[in-house]
Amino acid sequence: NAGVTQTPKFRVLKTGQSMTLLCAQDMNHEYMYWYRQDPGMGLRLIHYSVGEGTTAKGEVPDGYNVSRLKKQNFLLGLESAAPSQTSVYFCASCLAGFHDTQYFGPGTRLTVL
Amino acid sequence: QKEVEQDPGPLSVPEGAIVSLNCTYSNSAFQYFMWYRQYSRKGPELLMYTYSSGNKEDGRFTAQVDKSSKYISLFIRDSQPSDSATYLCAMNGNNRLAFGKGNQVVVIP
Repeated sequence: NAGVTQTPKFRVLKTGQSMTLLCAQDMNHEYMYWYRQDPGMGLRLIHYSVGEGTTAKGEVPDGYNVSRLKKQNFLLGLESAAPSQTSVYFCASCLAGFHDTQYFGPGTRLTVL
Repeated sequence: QKEVEQDPGPLSVPEGAIVSLNCTYSNSAFQYFMWYRQYSRKGPELLMYTYSSGNKEDGRFTAQVDKSSKYISLFIRDSQPSDSATYLCAMNGNNRLAFGKGNQVVVIP
């Protein structure tokens, strides 16, 4: 039982490049979330999904897109990376909704030059 | 006023001391209150979960919620070097989860 895994662990991009971050969970959770964590800003919700095939915007969605084609996977895309997107990205999942315990992945450290 | 206020610290204490952390909030709709612990370069993990006002104890950890004052606290007794981490408060209401900025704690052996 791996829990929540994230790929890749580290990435360096140049401004304007695109990339996709992959989150996978093996706990059969319905809800999945993408957060970014910046110094002095705490965790901020980018997008979330309440089930396979659904997505919704969070607090800071601009510049990001997501897809949930399979229940166990939640992809975060950056179409044209900007230095302001330099951050640590965390994926999380839970069974029953925002009031439920969220299980976080180990994070992806992204630097945009 | 920010929805969730948490003093980022850092807080340094000697081993064995009591650590006291707190968050204040402004949204009366918050009903579920959590504390997450995050070790350096790791993802957060749930430490304590409480619903509405009151106290909850789990080993060396005690979580308190005072809804009338919009104030939650986390106490760590007999602190250990392994407690050195960042502690984030989180609270749920209106179908969202709001996090504090996190409070870095260092327990000195």
